[in-house]
Amino acid sequence: GAGVSQSPSNKVTEKGKDVELRCDPISGHTALYWYRQSLGQGLEFLIYFQGNSAPDKSGLPSDRFSAERTGGSVSTLTIQRTQQEDSAVYLCASSFSLPLFGPTDTQYFGPGTRLTVL
Amino acid sequence: AQKITQTQPGMFVQEKEAVTLDCTYDTSDPSYGLFWYKQPSSGEMIFLIYQGSYDQQNATEGRYSLNFQKARKSANLVISASQLGDSAMYFCAITPDYKLSFGAGTTVTVRA
Repeated sequence: GAGVSQSPSNKVTEKGKDVELRCDPISGHTALYWYRQSLGQGLEFLIYFQGNSAPDKSGLPSDRFSAERTGGSVSTLTIQRTQQEDSAVYLCASSFSLPLFGPTDTQYFGPGTRLTVL
Repeated sequence: AQKITQTQPGMFVQEKEAVTLDCTYDTSDPSYGLFWYKQPSSGEMIFLIYQGSYDQQNATEGRYSLNFQKARKSANLVISASQLGDSAMYFCAITPDYKLSFGAGTTVTVRA
């Protein structure tokens, strides 16, 4: 079946502009996660959704970052007034269920969106 | 909080040989899951193998096996019979629930 998809694959924007990153999880997966991968910080957790709710937003670095999920499926990560330090690869993952962890709760990742802020 | 340490930034291995990637972790949670992911140059994180903290046996998935030593807080990945397509970055990750904490990764280069 289809894996996690993300769009766009690459995004170049100017400082101060807003960007939207999209994630389409594996069909049937109720949990969805956003991570950020940057050279300086490695892989960092941003936010997770269970259904359309986001019980844990603790990883969002500032109030310029927000995310939503609709219909228990597609999620959008929005970064307002982008800064150069926002440049990174944004990875989305999904898993079958939450909060029990086990083989069925493996997070499957998408190909990521590479964001470059000039 | 959880912490993962991968001390080998880069490794070279000859095709068809085995390679062991080190991973040590620190957690105060009694129950947790350990994961290994592969990230080729294309960027996608590919799940390889999972080990639960209460699992009695070491996990295996095809050519991947996990040498889990709970008392030493160690979860090393062994890749047997290396192939050129195994060249990638490998990440060890841990979670007590859902929030994955990743190590810095180890780059593996397989030589023909």
